[in-house]
Amino acid sequence: EIVLTQSPAILSLSPGERATLSCRANQSVSSYLAWYQQKPGQAPRLLIYDASNRATDIPARFSGSGSGTDFTLTISRLEPEDFAVYYCQHRSSWPLTFGGGTTVEIK
Amino acid sequence: QVQLVESGGGVVQPGTSLRLSCAASGFSFSGFAMHWVRQAPGKGLEWVAAIPYDDSYNSYADSVKGRFTVSRDNSRDTLYLQMNRLTAEDTAVYYCAKNFDFWSGSVRTQEYFFGSWGQGTLVTVSS
Repeated sequence: EIVLTQSPAILSLSPGERATLSCRANQSVSSYLAWYQQKPGQAPRLLIYDASNRATDIPARFSGSGSGTDFTLTISRLEPEDFAVYYCQHRSSWPLTFGGGTTVEIK
Repeated sequence: QVQLVESGGGVVQPGTSLRLSCAASGFSFSGFAMHWVRQAPGKGLEWVAAIPYDDSYNSYADSVKGRFTVSRDNSRDTLYLQMNRLTAEDTAVYYCAKNFDFWSGSVRTQEYFFGSWGQGTLVTVSS
């Protein structure tokens, strides 16, 4: 099973600041990695697929990068609606797994 | 637009069974792989099971293998999750999710990400 480790667990930032979230795999997942955003009481929403491709209707301030074992989700300038929990997920092999999540909170 | 509506959750005792349903609309259900993903209270996301569009080969998380069975009825646009021998560790919100797809030129590609989600149904296993 591929284990995804996200860091930091909590990121405290102010609106307008840049957020950098990390996801590390214990073995290569090539570029087969996605990022999701989840707000309280809501289902997750797909943001990025295959490491760097924005899903439909996702704002350009969200970007993804990386390949192999190290991946980054960057939010260039945080908007109030971006404070949420973010998860990475791979599709490289079965079972599909998620990282433990990063909470982006208002400082 | 895509709509996924889960049902069947509730409070059950350890060792018992429960069947969840997910009614799909707004897309060609029979053409997509589907998934169940769960989230224990206050915890992260855990993929549970996947079923291809043709029910040819299903996949499960180790934590549910041998106890849970995913199935689908393409004539009813409905996904199911049969859960047996439930334990307290199965307590979670269960989401159904549609396999992600996108167009690359004139080719539609599906990938094992979760493109659309239902609102979830809560399963509580407690004595």
